[in-house]
Amino acid sequence: AQSVAQPEDQVNVAEGNPLTVKCTYSVSGNPYLFWYVQYPNRGLQFLLKYITGDNLVKGSYGFEAEFNKSQTSFHLKKPSALVSDSALYFCAVRGLSSNTGKLIFGQGTTLQVKP
Amino acid sequence: EAGVTQFPSHSVIEKGQTVTLRCDPISGHDNLYWYRRVMGKEIKFLLHFVKESKQDESGMPNNRFLAERTGGTYSTLKVQPAELEDSGVYFCASSRTSGYTGELFFGEGSRLTVL
Repeated sequence: AQSVAQPEDQVNVAEGNPLTVKCTYSVSGNPYLFWYVQYPNRGLQFLLKYITGDNLVKGSYGFEAEFNKSQTSFHLKKPSALVSDSALYFCAVRGLSSNTGKLIFGQGTTLQVKP
Repeated sequence: EAGVTQFPSHSVIEKGQTVTLRCDPISGHDNLYWYRRVMGKEIKFLLHFVKESKQDESGMPNNRFLAERTGGTYSTLKVQPAELEDSGVYFCASSRTSGYTGELFFGEGSRLTVL
């Protein structure tokens, strides 16, 4: 069965410091991996995706993520956090065995960036 | 271009009552998805429409939930009768294609509270 795990309910980081939000996945075959962000009272917004190619993918707002096949991970990173990055982050996977394109989401990680 | 819109943003009903949620996808998007997030857990897939046809409804929890997309435009999700465990945030998403590499565009969600 396909699944996504985000082991941390909350990540706290000081503004200006690097941040990492962790994600591991389990899927049959090669995965398609996504990160979405939800700001307060807003819908989910697409940040970035890994389909194929370079393991380091860059996305919106200075975020990037590294695909690691051997560790089945897709951690979200940013070199220097901003207070405005505080939000709820979701990792998601779509497996090749899926015939509908539906996404499997993790439980979400709240990122709190303090000034 | 207008985004995905959902109505109502918040609904509070008594157990046993009926609620209908509406989603207007982005114009031209044939694919429409319903997801829900219960009690701060992961976002779970409910079903996927391609135009007016149900492509995948494997995530629908039981027969108290009925989704429709007449004419392939907007969609409704009816819960009848509502139970306490139905409380959560219901998200609608749309995409132009159902391909595995594309991202979904989400609405802001409809929060359902069943008392």
